Amino acid sequence: QKEVEQDPGPLSVPEGAIVSLNCTYSNSAFQYFMWYRQYSRKGPELLMYTYSSGNKEDGRFTAQVDKSSKYISLFIRDSQPSDSATYLCAMSRGGSQGNLIFGKGTKLSVKP
Amino acid sequence: EAGVVQSPRYKIIEKKQPVAFWCNPISGHNTLYWYLQNLGQGPELLIRYENEEAVDDSQLPKDRFSAERLKGVDSTLKIQPAELGDSAVYLCASKVTANTGELFFGEGSRLTVL
Repeated sequence: QKEVEQDPGPLSVPEGAIVSLNCTYSNSAFQYFMWYRQYSRKGPELLMYTYSSGNKEDGRFTAQVDKSSKYISLFIRDSQPSDSATYLCAMSRGGSQGNLIFGKGTKLSVKP
Repeated sequence: EAGVVQSPRYKIIEKKQPVAFWCNPISGHNTLYWYLQNLGQGPELLIRYENEEAVDDSQLPKDRFSAERLKGVDSTLKIQPAELGDSAVYLCASKVTANTGELFFGEGSRLTVL
C-alpha cells in the first residue's frame, strides 16, 4: 500500500459544477497537507495548504483534512474551464523530515 | 521575481548516452529539490539539498545518477548512461528552508530516451 492514495480519474464535469477531489493516506505522522495544481507541461503550483485537521477556504476552493479518517478533500465551487488541470495532493511530517509525499494526481476536465 | 528556472525544457537522447539538467532556484532559497515525475504519477523525490549539502539522497539511483550544487545556488542533475526507463519529467523545486515557506517548482525538463 502506498503512503498516499489518490484516484487518477479522469474526472469530467460541466462548467459551474462542484468538484470533489480526495486522497487517503496511511502515515499518521503527516501534519501538513497540500493541494497542488499542475497544468499540462508545467510544474505543480501550490493551491491550498492546511496544517493538521480542519477546513480552509480560499475563494472557490475549500480544503478539508480529517486526520481521524486519514482523509483529505479539495472542493471547487462554480468550476471553470480554466480549472482543467491535474490536481495533486501532497503531505509531509514537517520539520527536518518534511519531504513531501505526493499522490498520483487526478486529471480534471471542466467542459464549457 | 524570477521563478525556478530549468533547462533544457526538452531533451531526446539515445539510450546509453549521458544527459544533464540544470536548475537555478529562486534567489535566497537555501533548500533545493530534484523530483522525478513519470507519466500519470505524482512527483517523487530524488535528492534534497540544504545549501550545498545533499541531506537526503536515499532515493537517488547512484549507479547512474549524480547531482551537485556547487556554491549552494545552481544545481545539476546528471544521468550516465541513460536507460529507456529514465524517460520522464525531472522537476526542480526550491524553498527558503526545509521548514519555512512554500515549495516552488520549475517547469521541468522532459527527457525522452530512445
